[in-house]
Amino acid sequence: GEDVEQSLFLSVREGDSSVINCTYTDSSSTYLYWYKQEPGAGLQLLTYIFSNMDMKQDQRLTVLLNKKDKHLSLRIADTQTGDSAIYFCAESMGSSASKIIFGSGTRLSIRP
Amino acid sequence: NAGVTQTPKFQVLKTGQSMTLQCAQDMNHEYMSWYRQDPGMGLRLIHYSVGAGITDQGEVPNGYNVSRSTTEDFPLRLLSAAPSQTSVYFCASRWQSEAFFGQGTRLTVV
Repeated sequence: GEDVEQSLFLSVREGDSSVINCTYTDSSSTYLYWYKQEPGAGLQLLTYIFSNMDMKQDQRLTVLLNKKDKHLSLRIADTQTGDSAIYFCAESMGSSASKIIFGSGTRLSIRP
Repeated sequence: NAGVTQTPKFQVLKTGQSMTLQCAQDMNHEYMSWYRQDPGMGLRLIHYSVGAGITDQGEVPNGYNVSRSTTEDFPLRLLSAAPSQTSVYFCASRWQSEAFFGQGTRLTVV
């Protein structure tokens, strides 16, 4: 089936690292994505990883991909109040990676 | 460069009315998609298109029609609106890895 799963909520202290986890089902996914959505806004692409990679780092963001377990994670270092948002994991599927299927999103809240 | 433009931003419909949500992109992308976003359910794929003249169903296609007569436009039609179609609708266009999203249309069916 087409299933991307994430936990719904995560709360971290400001300055700590946040780790958001995701599992997906399609082992033939070409790209795996992390999107950020702030209240009342559209989706902003944070980063993506090609399926033949196992890690990608971009400033405060680190993406880890475990293809064997179909597990994707997003680590945000030094979490700030501006990081409060919903984070969506997504995978590309289908012929020519024509579809992108999203998880239900993880709401990240920051404690002072 | 406008990117992905959705209209209208807000709409209220009565049950049984029909309407078309518009989506246009100026990036010459082949892939376009429509999603609906409901609380706690993330984005669910309604229909998608891999090029002009080609459309296919996503996860939740019932109650919606699409067409793709040009590369730029991908309208979503509700033929007979139902309260269950109250949602926020996002259009996206894509080339290779990155999908670009419109700002969304908030639809309420009463």
